[in-house]
Amino acid sequence: SQTIHQWPATLVQPVGSPLSLECTVEGTSNPNLYWYRQAAGRGLQLLFYSVGIGQISSEVPQNLSASRPQDRQFILSSKKLLLSDSGFYLCASPSTEQFFGPGTRLTVL
Amino acid sequence: AQTVTQSQPEMSVQEAETVTLSCTYDTSENNYYLFWYKQPPSRQMILVIRQEAYKQQNATENRFSVNFQKAAKSFSLKISDSQLGDTAMYFCAFTPGWGTSYGKLTFGQGTILTVHP
Repeated sequence: SQTIHQWPATLVQPVGSPLSLECTVEGTSNPNLYWYRQAAGRGLQLLFYSVGIGQISSEVPQNLSASRPQDRQFILSSKKLLLSDSGFYLCASPSTEQFFGPGTRLTVL
Repeated sequence: AQTVTQSQPEMSVQEAETVTLSCTYDTSENNYYLFWYKQPPSRQMILVIRQEAYKQQNATENRFSVNFQKAAKSFSLKISDSQLGDTAMYFCAFTPGWGTSYGKLTFGQGTILTVHP
């Protein structure tokens, strides 16, 4: 079956620290992959999407970056976190039935 | 650009009753998909139902059904026999149905549904 995994599930980081969130997909090849962010009490906002290894498109200018080092791996990063980076981060793949992974809750203090 | 509007910030319903959540959208696309997602307190996005724009038949999934009015650009969700576990935030979402644009979801603001015993 096609599933999306995200790691970690929860993260608390100080302002100015680096960030690395990982998304992996099973059961499919060459999937389109997406990173979304949800601020508290709001809808989801598309941050990045990737159609293949090394191919990243940014939807919103910000403090974050994304990379796709392998076909089924999508990474969201930051060199220095801001308070405004707090939120719920979801990886998505239209190749999977559920579309979204379980998410990572990030709190920046 | 697409927009999705959910005009009901909050709704409530008694257990076993029926409730309808509203959603309207605006797009110039002809090929697209519409979704309803449920987000419980765990915040995981759970797919409730999916509608392909070129299919005239309304999608149904057990107690959940949609009223898709393409000309009016309306996509409402009907929940029948409401259960306590249906209490959650519900999001309406749109995506173009072609190429790399499929998966670039535009979300509504969400509707908080509370089911009362």
